Amino acid sequence: QSTLTQPRSVSGSPGQSVTMSCTGTSSDVGGYKYVSWYRQDPGKAPKVIIYDVNKRPSGVPDRFSGSKSGNTASLTISGLQADDEADYYCCSYGGTYRPWVFVGGAKLTVL
Amino acid sequence: EVQLVESGGGLVQPGGSLRLSCAASGFRFNSYSMTWVRQAPGKGLEWVANIKQDGSEKSYVDSVKGRFTISRDNAKNSVYLQMNSLRADDTAVYFCARDPRLWAFYFIDYWGLGTLVTVSS
Repeated sequence: QSTLTQPRSVSGSPGQSVTMSCTGTSSDVGGYKYVSWYRQDPGKAPKVIIYDVNKRPSGVPDRFSGSKSGNTASLTISGLQADDEADYYCCSYGGTYRPWVFVGGAKLTVL
Repeated sequence: EVQLVESGGGLVQPGGSLRLSCAASGFRFNSYSMTWVRQAPGKGLEWVANIKQDGSEKSYVDSVKGRFTISRDNAKNSVYLQMNSLRADDTAVYFCARDPRLWAFYFIDYWGLGTLVTVSS
């Protein structure tokens, strides 16, 4: 899914786990171990929450985890909280001349 | 503290031009590649252009090749995006962002707040 389209919708209740996935190609997600995930709140700049597929920057709780299988990357948020509600975007390194490929996005609603 | 502040957005007619600027502070600017990412209203993120630390290499998304030019002035800690032949589908918030690949970090680590470009008659 290209992020040129609307982010898809994902929802969950507080305390539950949700997983969102993005499927790229062998030229991006499948070709590199450099998938990152960004959280974006309305009207704000994106903020990285996962990098190198499954690493968390300092300050990001371990409720957030990432994985990758083939051309598909996934973000799992466990112990869902109300303030997790935001848009989440998946990005992969795509090589020297196409470095940042935003592969997919999801709008998370906490019910 | 790393800060990226974009400016130069606004309303422009189709076919017109606009130059975006991004003022960086809080880090050694000439040690980082810089990138522009845009987001159309209600849509997702799209990488637009990238420039290496010394300006020697530039890359663009196909849809802007030949129309947009990225440049930088390391003496002024600034990066620019010259946008020509603007089209309605260029309407978006344009984010300036830092690219730390020189340091083996393959993700965008800092973003500005963005500047809105509206292409409309």
